[in-house]
Amino acid sequence: DIQLTQSPSFLSASVGDRVTITCRASQGITSFLAWYQQKPGKAPNLLIYAASTLQSGVPSRFSGSGSGTEFTLTISSLQPEDFATYYCQQLNSYPRTFGQGTKVEIK
Amino acid sequence: EVQLVQSGAEVKKPGESLKISCKGSGYTFTSNWIGWVRQMPGKGLEWMGIIFPGDSSITYSPSFQGQVTISADKSISTAYLQWSSLKASDTAIYYCARQVNWYEGVFDQWGQGTLVTVSS
Repeated sequence: DIQLTQSPSFLSASVGDRVTITCRASQGITSFLAWYQQKPGKAPNLLIYAASTLQSGVPSRFSGSGSGTEFTLTISSLQPEDFATYYCQQLNSYPRTFGQGTKVEIK
Repeated sequence: EVQLVQSGAEVKKPGESLKISCKGSGYTFTSNWIGWVRQMPGKGLEWMGIIFPGDSSITYSPSFQGQVTISADKSISTAYLQWSSLKASDTAIYYCARQVNWYEGVFDQWGQGTLVTVSS
């Protein structure tokens, strides 16, 4: 299985901050990576796929980059509704594993 | 509107069997893979497997192969996840999700989740 390691696991930030989350894959996955946001008590929500393509309806303050084994999710200016847990998922091979998650909390 | 509606919360005893469901609407159910994802209490997401309702093709994660059974009934646009003998460690929220056709592997619509509690 391909392992995904997210860093940090926990992040404390203020409204308006620029936030970056990293996802590292145990082997190359080209650009086959997605990012999801999950709020407490809710199902995950797709933010980005193909490493950098924004899903329809997702605010432009979210962006993704990377290829191969290292990827980043950036929130350019953190908003109150962005406090949540973020997961990366590799789409290169089965099983389509998720990272362990990064919880973004209010500072 | 695309929707996936899951069956309600379940409380079961160890050793009991269970089948939970996920009903799709608002799209052609037989045209998209449906996946199942586990989330244990306070933990992250785990990819369990996927099924193509059009022909019932299934791929399991090795971690879940033999532990659960994924199936679908295309006549009623419903996918299922079942256990023959539950364990306490099966306690979790289980999500179904629709895989998009335009980029393999991506889940664009999710059910609301089914909480399964296994306790003696």
